[in-house]
Amino acid sequence: DTGVSQDPRHKITKRGQNVTFRCDPISEHNRLYWYRQTLGQGPEFLTYFQNEAQLEKSRLLSDRFSAERPKGSFSTLEIQRTEQGDSAMYLCASSLRSGEGYNEQFFGPGTRLTVL
Amino acid sequence: GQQLNQSPQSMFIQEGEDVSMNCTSSSIFNTWLWYKQDPGEGPVLLIALYKAGELTSNGRLTAQFGITRKDSFLNISASIPSDVGIYFCAGRSTDSWGKFQFGAGTQVVVTP
Repeated sequence: DTGVSQDPRHKITKRGQNVTFRCDPISEHNRLYWYRQTLGQGPEFLTYFQNEAQLEKSRLLSDRFSAERPKGSFSTLEIQRTEQGDSAMYLCASSLRSGEGYNEQFFGPGTRLTVL
Repeated sequence: GQQLNQSPQSMFIQEGEDVSMNCTSSSIFNTWLWYKQDPGEGPVLLIALYKAGELTSNGRLTAQFGITRKDSFLNISASIPSDVGIYFCAGRSTDSWGKFQFGAGTQVVVTP
């Protein structure tokens, strides 16, 4: 399977615990995105990387959230001191930035986080 | 938060009918993407649009990039039961080369 993969698919945690999610993009895709989606809403942008550089972060990304893409391949999203409001689907997407600006994003299956 | 207005919010149609939905933005976009999402899964890309006025088809799906560059439309012809799902538009404005904004989705229910 050469699509975007995410791990784990589901995570249940207690309030106050830290969680970390992993995303493996499509091979050779240089851009990687993180989104958060709650029930009945479309995905909300959190942050994106071009290679290993984090180019943009949403105001939604509080200081409890941190994302990394150390070698420009896989990425991790960590949430510290989780709160019940963090319960959501966390989606990762990747794309290949071309000189002509074409930028189709392909999503992974998501990680469903439930904070008790 | 989201800045795209997607409508309708939901549609209940009979098998064989056509479906139309649209998205509008307050700013000029240079890219529109349309996705379909099934419960518990990530969105699946259906169609990508890059030029004003562009009309692109993918099987029974047809999408258009509005001439004003502030809207886009998706049509599904001759709907079948597997068209059930939530359809999202996503757009990228000219001042943001990375970030995409999403609509709230259109839920499509197809009855036999």
